[in-house]
Amino acid sequence: DTAVSQTPKYLVTQMGNDKSIKCEQNLGHDTMYWYKQDSKKFLKIMFSYNNKELIINETVPNRFSPKSPDKAHLNLHINSLELGDSAVYFCASSHTNREANQPQHFGDGTRLSIL
Amino acid sequence: DAKTTQPPSMDCAEGRAANLPCNHSTISGNEYVYWYRQIHSQGPQYIIHGLKNNETNEMASLIITEDRKSSTLILPHATLRDTAVYYCIAYNAGNNRKLIWGLGTSLAVNP
Repeated sequence: DTAVSQTPKYLVTQMGNDKSIKCEQNLGHDTMYWYKQDSKKFLKIMFSYNNKELIINETVPNRFSPKSPDKAHLNLHINSLELGDSAVYFCASSHTNREANQPQHFGDGTRLSIL
Repeated sequence: DAKTTQPPSMDCAEGRAANLPCNHSTISGNEYVYWYRQIHSQGPQYIIHGLKNNETNEMASLIITEDRKSSTLILPHATLRDTAVYYCIAYNAGNNRKLIWGLGTSLAVNP
C-alpha cells in the first residue's frame, strides 16, 4: 500500500501552461507539505497544511497555489509555468503531535520539465 | 532551526559498518536530531530520530554526544542498497514544522 502517492510521476510541458500535481496520503496524518528539489539537490519547503488550513507559506511565487480539499489530499496548481519551475516536487505528510515529534513521510516525487 | 554540517561524501565497504557524522553545535534544547536518506530518484526516507539518548531501530543506530553538539548515524552492516544521500536535520515538529535540508552526505557502499 502506497502511503504518500503523487500523480503524475513525470510532467513535461511547455512554458506558459498551467498544470496541477496531486498528492494523497492514506496514513491518517493531519499535516501535509510540498517541497521543491532543484537541480542542485536542495530540498526546500514550499507549503504546509494542517487539517486543510495553510500553516507554512514560504517565499513562493503566487503562480503556485496549493489546495487541500480534505486532510488526506494536498494538490499543487502552477500557473504560467516558467523554465525555472523545472524541478522535482515532493509531497510529504506527518502527524502533528506537540508531545512527541513525528517524522514526515514523503512521496516519490513529480519530475516537472518545462520546455 | 539549528544548522547542521556533514561531510559531502563517504565510502564504505559492503558488510562493514557505515558511520556518518553530523555536527549541530547550535542545536537548541527542544530540537531533535533527525536522519533521512534519499536513494536516487526516490523520495526522502525517514531513518531515525533522537533527542538526548542513543536510539536504535531496524534500520540504524543514532549516537548523540552528551553535549548534543554532534551525532553519528550507524548502519551496522551496509549493503549496496544503502547507497544514498543521508541528511541530518535538527528539527522540532512542535515549533514550526519546517525541515531545513542541507546537501547531506553522499554514501557510496562498494562491493
